[in-house]
Amino acid sequence: DADVTQTPRNRITKTGKRIMLECSQTKGHDRMYWYRQDPGLGLRLIYYSFDVKDINKGEISDGYSVSRQAQAKFSLSLESAIPNQTALYFCATSDGVWETQYFGPGTRLLVL
Amino acid sequence: EDKVVQSPLSLVVHEGDTVTLNCSYEVTNFRSLLWYKQEKKAPTFLFMLTSSGIEKKSGRLSSILDKKELFSILNITATQTGDSAVYLCAVPGSARQLTFGSGTQLTVLP
Repeated sequence: DADVTQTPRNRITKTGKRIMLECSQTKGHDRMYWYRQDPGLGLRLIYYSFDVKDINKGEISDGYSVSRQAQAKFSLSLESAIPNQTALYFCATSDGVWETQYFGPGTRLLVL
Repeated sequence: EDKVVQSPLSLVVHEGDTVTLNCSYEVTNFRSLLWYKQEKKAPTFLFMLTSSGIEKKSGRLSSILDKKELFSILNITATQTGDSAVYLCAVPGSARQLTFGSGTQLTVLP
């Protein structure tokens, strides 16, 4: 079984809809992250959480919200999806040692 | 503001060639530099470098860090088509977040 899982793997939605992307991990890591990846722009951090009671905005948090339901679960929500949120979304975890992060398989989101 | 710049943006070579990928960085309180390989899926961890001048090797891949000049290189010798991927460089920033470069797209032709 994969250590970091994301659901759904692919999603098509319409402008204005609310959607949630979910991430679960079995690595026992405290730190979890949400990134989006766009062609030519690398990975950009949306939100991160260092433990269940800690939520921090990343570089591009506008239009997104998160929930850390448990150590193993970190969800990303788009309250009202817009087309420029079409991207590949990755969840990652880290045990904080030298900041090495381990990535989930990604969710490909298309907003029409 | 932390910054990571990778070059070249893309590279096309033939099997057997040797390639060198570059990563320069600006970060407050440097701790480490990380290399990832991304094929058509999630980035996978390759190397972590913390000390200047010490080469890390894994098979045909190697990497070295120069903390004085603020850069790292990733070398791949005797390239194979399976090496085709985006190679990402990242550094932890002052807020303990990773700042990624935009990546180098490597294509290895048979």
